[in-house]
Amino acid sequence: DGGITQSPKYLFRKEGQNVTLSCEQNLNHDAMYWYRQDPGQGLRLIYYSQIVNDFQKGDIAEGYSVSREKKESFPLTVTSAQKNPTAFYLCASSTQTGSGNSPLHFGNGTRLTVT
Amino acid sequence: SQKIEQNSEALNIQEGKTATLTCNYTNYSPAYLQWYRQDPGRGPVFLLLIRENEKEKRKERLKVTFDTTLKQSLFHITASQPADSATYLCALETNDYKLSFGAGTTVTVRA
Repeated sequence: DGGITQSPKYLFRKEGQNVTLSCEQNLNHDAMYWYRQDPGQGLRLIYYSQIVNDFQKGDIAEGYSVSREKKESFPLTVTSAQKNPTAFYLCASSTQTGSGNSPLHFGNGTRLTVT
Repeated sequence: SQKIEQNSEALNIQEGKTATLTCNYTNYSPAYLQWYRQDPGRGPVFLLLIRENEKEKRKERLKVTFDTTLKQSLFHITASQPADSATYLCALETNDYKLSFGAGTTVTVRA
């Protein structure tokens, strides 16, 4: 059963700590994305990767870092430099990097709470 | 600046009626527009994609229109059911490799 797995579903951290969110896909997709969702706002793109060992900043990359060492995996680290990290984080993948014609497949998200 | 706007108010409708959602955009010229459904606490699920040269697209009880002159897409749910209750997001490509999303419209269908 192909899909995207995000873990954990809920994550709690103290301010000042870095935290890594996991994203794994078995869809054999080249492109992967991280979005952040806040109440009343559209999804905002944090980072995306078109191919292994390559990634680009999205619209709100400050305070975040990623790696793409394997095609299946695209972990996101929320660093202590991110000023407002509490949010719902969504990982997605697609077959092509021309995203307009290529639907995104999303995981079920990680809700991060930083206190 | 570039913007994607969806109905700001939640939509409450009676079962069996048609729900119509609006997605307006400014300062883009997308070749494609997508619609997604999102349930609480879950990731969005892709529903439909419409191309700029397609006026209308249908999938079961769903219908999407795309008017590039008005810079607007309409999303219709006909013969609505309580199971259709969810938030619906429109998305379009704003530049290479980036898909931007509206904030979504929450639909509640009353039995």
